[in-house]
Amino acid sequence: AQTVTQSQPEMSVQEAETVTLSCTYDTSESDYYLFWYKQPPSRQMILVIRQEAYKQQNATENRFSVNFQKAAKSFSLKISDSQLGDAAMYFCAYTDSNTGKLIFGQGTTLQVKP
Amino acid sequence: NAGVTQTPKFQVLKTGQSMTLQCAQDMNHNSMYWYRQDPGMGLRLIYYSASEGTTDKGEVPNGYNVSRLNKREFSLRLESAAPSQTSVYFCASSEVRWQPQHFGDGTRLSIL
Repeated sequence: AQTVTQSQPEMSVQEAETVTLSCTYDTSESDYYLFWYKQPPSRQMILVIRQEAYKQQNATENRFSVNFQKAAKSFSLKISDSQLGDAAMYFCAYTDSNTGKLIFGQGTTLQVKP
Repeated sequence: NAGVTQTPKFQVLKTGQSMTLQCAQDMNHNSMYWYRQDPGMGLRLIYYSASEGTTDKGEVPNGYNVSRLNKREFSLRLESAAPSQTSVYFCASSEVRWQPQHFGDGTRLSIL
């Protein structure tokens, strides 16, 4: 069965610095998608970045980028130039066409210190 | 630019009562989803709809029913609420199947 693991329950970063959130997953599928979602205290779930497994190039969205290591089944999120508004719970998630569902990790709470 | 709109935002029910959570999206998406989020956890899929008139069970469908009467709206019904259904419920939609992209603000539901 597919699983997603986030081993860091909490992380903190100084404003303007860089932080990396870890995520590993387990699957026997070759075609799948990986996501990072942000959930601020307002509770709304926001899609931050998406990676297709067949693409070797790491996805990037402004200050957010991923390090996708398919062989190692690792999908980390790097946030550059951290801002106070980045403080939130971050969820790593996986989906493929066979399972038909989005599987979430346990989440990592990111604190940004001024 | 409303996106995904959920109503109500908060609700308290007594055990055994019924209610319907409403969700509407204005992005012309085919795929819509209902998730629940329990404290400290990620989201779990209750039901999804790949297109108007079609629905399928997700990971935790027991105790729920859904209805996709048109492309915009996807409702979730609790027929006989139980305390175990106390949770925050999110509706989502997407252009691409299995990749929920836009989420509503959530409904915090408490069942006493």
